[in-house]
Amino acid sequence: DAMVIQNPRYQVTQFGKPVTLSCSQTLNHNVMYWYQQKSSQAPKLLFHYYDKDFNNEADTPDNFQSRRPNTSFCFLDIRSPGLGDAAMYLCATSRDHFRGFTYEQYFGPGTRLTVT
Amino acid sequence: QKEVEQNSGPLSVPEGAIASLNCTYSDRGSQSFFWYRQYSGKSPELIMFIYSNGDKEDGRFTAQLNKASQYVSLLIRDSQPSDSATYLCAVNYGGSQGNLIFGKGTKLSVKP
Repeated sequence: DAMVIQNPRYQVTQFGKPVTLSCSQTLNHNVMYWYQQKSSQAPKLLFHYYDKDFNNEADTPDNFQSRRPNTSFCFLDIRSPGLGDAAMYLCATSRDHFRGFTYEQYFGPGTRLTVT
Repeated sequence: QKEVEQNSGPLSVPEGAIASLNCTYSDRGSQSFFWYRQYSGKSPELIMFIYSNGDKEDGRFTAQLNKASQYVSLLIRDSQPSDSATYLCAVNYGGSQGNLIFGKGTKLSVKP
């Protein structure tokens, strides 16, 4: 089945220790997104790739970086995690938007990040 | 400020009843509207999407859109305990790169 896969599902890191989360997809979608979701809050868009074109949200901290080496894979790097970065990190994919219409986004299972 | 507003709930309905979930949005240029279901500790799962005014039905789910009132709703007929989850409304930014703004979600509880 076509799907979005995230690894690891659970990640524990120490304060200030860099961490990388990965996402892969078999849907062949050209748009990939990274969201941060904290308990009882809406998913918050961090950035997205339109093919290899990187788009950062204005309020995404510099501590968060991303790489997309090819269509299938995308990585989220947190350079110096703080306690406030503990959250669920969600990867999503979609087909290209068209004339103002957005196609549905499909989410991976998420990575639960704990910072100690 | 682009916003998507949902009543946080919890909304409690008995099994077999109709659950009605509502969402309002601020950007008049928005054209794409989505409902996601999210179980506790899990990722969002797409339930419905709607682009045109009116109703769209898929099984027990009906999405309703009224662009003039900037209002979108989700009806769940014959509610089941397995429908108990948080329902997220998502709306695209009118005229932008196709990004979505999510509401905080409405928690639905279906009592047997």
